[in-house]
Amino acid sequence: EDQVTQSPEALRLQEGESSSLNCSYTVSGLRGLFWYRQDPGKGPEFLFTLYSAGEEKEKERLKATLTKKESFLHITAPKPEDSATYLCAVVNDYKLSFGAGTTVTVRA
Amino acid sequence: EAQVTQNPRYLITVTGKKLTVTCSQNMNHEYMSWYRQDPGLGLRQIYYSMNVEVTDKGDVPEGYKVSRKEKRNFPLILESPSPNQTSLYFCASSFWGETGELFFGEGSRLTVL
Repeated sequence: EDQVTQSPEALRLQEGESSSLNCSYTVSGLRGLFWYRQDPGKGPEFLFTLYSAGEEKEKERLKATLTKKESFLHITAPKPEDSATYLCAVVNDYKLSFGAGTTVTVRA
Repeated sequence: EAQVTQNPRYLITVTGKKLTVTCSQNMNHEYMSWYRQDPGLGLRQIYYSMNVEVTDKGDVPEGYKVSRKEKRNFPLILESPSPNQTSLYFCASSFWGETGELFFGEGSRLTVL
């Protein structure tokens, strides 16, 4: 059974304080690892797709990386508007399995 | 505007009273899916559909039904709701072959008393 584990559960940062979120996974035949952002009261919003170890994707202050067993979402010099819950997910056939998420709070 | 629309957004009902949560997308997506989100458990897939008249179970299908008679619509049916189905429900869609890059609706918060 596919498993996705995210850590930490919550992360409190000062504005400008860079940090990383971890997503570890076990899946039989990775066909993609996905990162989403979810704001309170909203549906998740797609951020990145990573397909193979060594791949990296960037968007503004976010950078996602992938190894054979885990993915990292690096937040560089975060701003308060980066506060959200970040979810990662893996796909196997047509089933998408999500982690429980990391809630990031960035204080001004 | 590309969107996934769910209705109702909020609903309080009682045990055993059948209800339907509608989901409609305007992006001509083949793939549609329903999830429930519970604190500490994350998003869990209930059912998914790869195209019209093609549906399959996700990880937590018990107590739910779906149908896909039209490409744009994918309703979630609770025939006899129970309190353990109190949750936040999300519908999502994507193009076939890109099932990880989902567009999500705004969510439907359901309370079963």
